[in-house]
Amino acid sequence: DAGVIQSPRHEVTEMGQEVTLRCKPISGHNSLFWYRQTMMRGLELLIYFNNNVPIDDSGMPEDRFSAKMPNASFSTLKIQPSEPRDSAVYFCASSFLEEQYFGPGTRLTVT
Amino acid sequence: SQQGEEDPQALSIQEGENATMNCSYKTSINNLQWYRQNSGRGLVHLILIRSNEREKHSGRLRVTLDTSKKSSSLLITASRAADTASYFCATGSVGNTDKLIFGTGTRLQVFP
Repeated sequence: DAGVIQSPRHEVTEMGQEVTLRCKPISGHNSLFWYRQTMMRGLELLIYFNNNVPIDDSGMPEDRFSAKMPNASFSTLKIQPSEPRDSAVYFCASSFLEEQYFGPGTRLTVT
Repeated sequence: SQQGEEDPQALSIQEGENATMNCSYKTSINNLQWYRQNSGRGLVHLILIRSNEREKHSGRLRVTLDTSKKSSSLLITASRAADTASYFCATGSVGNTDKLIFGTGTRLQVFP
């Protein structure tokens, strides 16, 4: 298996623009997680899905953030409009049991 | 908020030495996991220890868990330069093992 795939790997955008991050989990995994990592706040769980259903979105910072999982092999995290404080590395992870498998991350820079 | 707090924040050692990192957490857990993150990469799972276990080994890794003190330690024996990375503990809560709460991490530097 190729592991968790994220795209793009790097994104630079201007404040106010819409940003869409994409994730393909490992085939057969039934849980998918979106995390954000910054120096100041460390690794934060934003939202997670189980069997394509959002279970806990309490970590989503505000209404500018939204996430979808239309099927078992694809998820998106959207930020609209983006702000400079959204600059971070965003990770997607998937799991079947307790162990999580992380993607390589998307480094987002909002200028 | 982060549940796990790790100590030390940074650790520098020579190749061949042992490295010990500690993790403390606040609530009851079902399991505790350790992950490694190389610079610019995603996290990689290292080892999982359940709440009814006290010690677990995997290769050069040894993990202990003390639920009475709500703490865990990760020991890397005979360290190598390739062990240079950040190490995170993560806890799975009772009743919700899907969701992990990650600690703040320990940055380990191993000098050749």
